[in-house]
Amino acid sequence: GQSLEQPSEVTAVEGAIVQINCTYQTSGFYGLSWYQQHDGGAPTFLSYNALDGLEETGRFSSFLSRSDSYGYLLLQELQMKDSASYFCAVRDGGGGYGGSQGNLIFGKGTKLSVKP
Amino acid sequence: DAGITQSPRHKVTETGTPVTLRCHQTENHRYMYWYRQDPGHGLRLIHYSYGVKDTDKGEVSDGYSVSRSKTEDFLLTLESATSSQTSVYFCAISDVGRSYEQYFGPGTRLTVT
Repeated sequence: GQSLEQPSEVTAVEGAIVQINCTYQTSGFYGLSWYQQHDGGAPTFLSYNALDGLEETGRFSSFLSRSDSYGYLLLQELQMKDSASYFCAVRDGGGGYGGSQGNLIFGKGTKLSVKP
Repeated sequence: DAGITQSPRHKVTETGTPVTLRCHQTENHRYMYWYRQDPGHGLRLIHYSYGVKDTDKGEVSDGYSVSRSKTEDFLLTLESATSSQTSVYFCAISDVGRSYEQYFGPGTRLTVT
């Protein structure tokens, strides 16, 4: 079977750092994406890791360890607007021109609440 | 923001009626996807398309069909709606080689009574 595990809820205070973990068990793995979704909104792409290591994009960083089937999203200098749900998603295929280029399998999401 | 629209944005329908949701993009992206989102389940892939008239099933395709006659339009049809299909439906697009980076439409909230 295919499964992605992430905490259902996380609470942190404004200005702090928070880490959202994601462990996965999938039949195919080509990379790990992260998406943010505010209540009532659409998911938006944050980051993608195909190789081991840390990717930094402003206040957000994402890490991947393929040997541990584990990744995390790190949010620094938390702001109230960061209150949202965060989803990790495994890309289960890659490359090729025709047909599927790998679909995303999403975790159930982590609801982050940022308190003043 | 990527140019993706969905219509209708909200719909209430009765069990047994057919329903068609439309996704329209102006980005000329080759890949299009339909997802449903339910509390406690995250996003689940229903069907996807990798070109005009080229479609394939996703994880939860039973009870759904799709069609893509033009690059910009991807239709999702519920042949005979059931209460279990009450959900929020999202369309997404991605460029060639970048299925990891999908752009989502605003969603359609469908209620089947």
